[in-house]
Amino acid sequence: DIQMTQSPPSLSASVGDRVTITCRASQYISSYLSWYQQKPGKAPKLLIYAASNLQSGVPSRFSGSRSGTDFTLTISGLQPEDFASYYCQQSYSSPRTFGPGTKVEIK
Amino acid sequence: QVQLQESGPGLVKPSETLSLTCSVSGDSVGGYFWSWIRQPPGKGLQWIGHIYSTGRTDYNPSLERRVTMSVDTSTNQIFLAVSSVTAADTAVYYCARCSLKGDCYDMDYWGQGTLVTVSS
Repeated sequence: DIQMTQSPPSLSASVGDRVTITCRASQYISSYLSWYQQKPGKAPKLLIYAASNLQSGVPSRFSGSRSGTDFTLTISGLQPEDFASYYCQQSYSSPRTFGPGTKVEIK
Repeated sequence: QVQLQESGPGLVKPSETLSLTCSVSGDSVGGYFWSWIRQPPGKGLQWIGHIYSTGRTDYNPSLERRVTMSVDTSTNQIFLAVSSVTAADTAVYYCARCSLKGDCYDMDYWGQGTLVTVSS
């Protein structure tokens, strides 16, 4: 199985901050990487697909990038509604695997 | 607007079979892959597997011996069964639609999830 790691596990930030979350794959996954946002008690929501493509309806402050097997989710100008957990997921091979998540909390 | 709704017993006894239904409205299940994902309380997401509308499946090897997925295109429903459950199967179970017709890379529509507790 492809292992996905995320860093940091959690972070505290203020409204307006630029936030960066990193996801690393244990092996080559091309750009088969998605990012999801999950709020407490809610289902995950697709933010980014194919490493850097913004899902329809998602604010442009969210962006994704890839460098080799390292992937980054950036939130440019954190908003109150962005405080949530974020998960990456690879779809290069089966079984699909998720990262352990990053919790973004209010400072 | 596509909507997914999971349903099934909220409490299952150890060693029994967990059975869930995902009812889809707003679009046909035909032509898409449909995934099941679960999340133990306070923990991360685990992919259980997915099923194509023709019935072709791909399961997580860690669960494959105990998992069965099926689809009924006439009723627009997807089904999940997990046999011989233990407390480790206690989780919120989600169904989700893979966004791309004919393949499955990411999931754009999700149900609200249903909590299944395994306990005697």
